[in-house]
Amino acid sequence: SQTIHQWPATLVQPVGSPLSLECTVEGTSNPNLYWYRQAAGRGLQLLFYSVGIGQISSEVPQNLSASRPQDRQFILSSKKLLLSDSGFYLCARRKGSGNTIYFGEGSWLTVV
Amino acid sequence: TQLLEQSPQFLSIQEGENLTVYCNSSSVFSSLQWYRQEPGEGPVLLVTVVTGGEVKKLKRLTFQFGDARKDSSLHITAAQPGDTGLYLCAGEPTGGYQKVTFGIGTKLQVIP
Repeated sequence: SQTIHQWPATLVQPVGSPLSLECTVEGTSNPNLYWYRQAAGRGLQLLFYSVGIGQISSEVPQNLSASRPQDRQFILSSKKLLLSDSGFYLCARRKGSGNTIYFGEGSWLTVV
Repeated sequence: TQLLEQSPQFLSIQEGENLTVYCNSSSVFSSLQWYRQEPGEGPVLLVTVVTGGEVKKLKRLTFQFGDARKDSSLHITAAQPGDTGLYLCAGEPTGGYQKVTFGIGTKLQVIP
């Protein structure tokens, strides 16, 4: 099984509120994990990736953070959301370099 | 600036027509993947190309990887309404340290 679970599926949050998106994966150990954001006209933007527990590489955002407390758990957080954080957030996993990336169902975030 | 440039960004064609979409970069990639995404869902892998000059066929879809491994194309023969969707190319540059990046995508609409 290559299942990836994301929740919540849909979220509407006011500006300045905190955020926690969770992702858990099944079927493999020590996967590479990714958070992407997809906004209109911007394509899939890599936010964070992790090659192991506690190992997080940040690509872009200043007010977002990620954590990997367990091998198969990846969390995206923010202390204070901005309007520009709205978008479709996708968690993804990959077994190793060169292998296929599998995506979760996605989480729609609207910041109002 | 996108590491992977996709063109065209939008394409609307009649059923039965042929089309080609392109994915270009100035970087060399160890492999490139093509994904198709439906609205509100995560991208789904169509194919991975690995060897420079490689051509892969998936029914009416033909994928080509450039000799220098910097570009790829997707050709669809006799497009069907079911081909409608967002087509994304993705890849990990050589020495990319697990960073998989995506193009902005080509939004294809096939009109019956």
